[in-house]
Amino acid sequence: QVQLVQSGPEVKKPGASVRVTCRGSGYTFSSYNFNWVRQAPGQGLEWMGWINTYNGNTKYSQKLQGRVSMTTDLSTDTVYMDVRSLRSDDTAVYYCARENFEAGSVSDFWGQGTLVIVSS
Amino acid sequence: DIVMTQSPDSLAVSLGETATINCKSSQSVLYSSSNNNYLAWYQQKPGQPPKLLIYWSSNRASGVPDRFSGSGSETDFTLTISGLQAEDVAVYYCQQYYTTPETFGQGTKVEIK
Repeated sequence: QVQLVQSGPEVKKPGASVRVTCRGSGYTFSSYNFNWVRQAPGQGLEWMGWINTYNGNTKYSQKLQGRVSMTTDLSTDTVYMDVRSLRSDDTAVYYCARENFEAGSVSDFWGQGTLVIVSS
Repeated sequence: DIVMTQSPDSLAVSLGETATINCKSSQSVLYSSSNNNYLAWYQQKPGQPPKLLIYWSSNRASGVPDRFSGSGSETDFTLTISGLQAEDVAVYYCQQYYTTPETFGQGTKVEIK
């Protein structure tokens, strides 16, 4: 069965960087792209960006452009999401979500989420 | 960006009754060449990731009970939960994946009356 397993919680100081990992299993990893979505405490869902798992092409939200990067490692079936220059309003649960191209690229499976706390 | 607006923000429904959630997009999410609306519905329970319920505005995802149904086209969409069960208590989000940035509604909290 499809599983997306994310890395554990992080506590970072303002100005630091964080890397969140997402490992896929139970399907052909390179055939599906990923979205990253975050959710601040008690808030809604915010799309952060997209990565083509096969060729590494990316698209980022304007809000995060310049501070976020997404990469992929096909040898370990893992996608990575880095956020730099962290601020307190980056405190959120970060999710990876697999895109299903057969359903118009809807996000059909989601990782369990990674809590990132930014605090001095 | 396409703005997604849900209504109501919350609703309380008796067990076995019907819950109806509306979602309006600021522009059409209908892809004319395929005649598909790029509109999804997700269910999120506390401490869990969102779960895909409906895609292409009316297609149920695998394993989703048939009491969940989606309808609508272009800019106006509805999620209907027929015969509400206790396990349906959650926040529901609509999402457009027609174009990036993909955007979500603010969420609708469904509770038991």
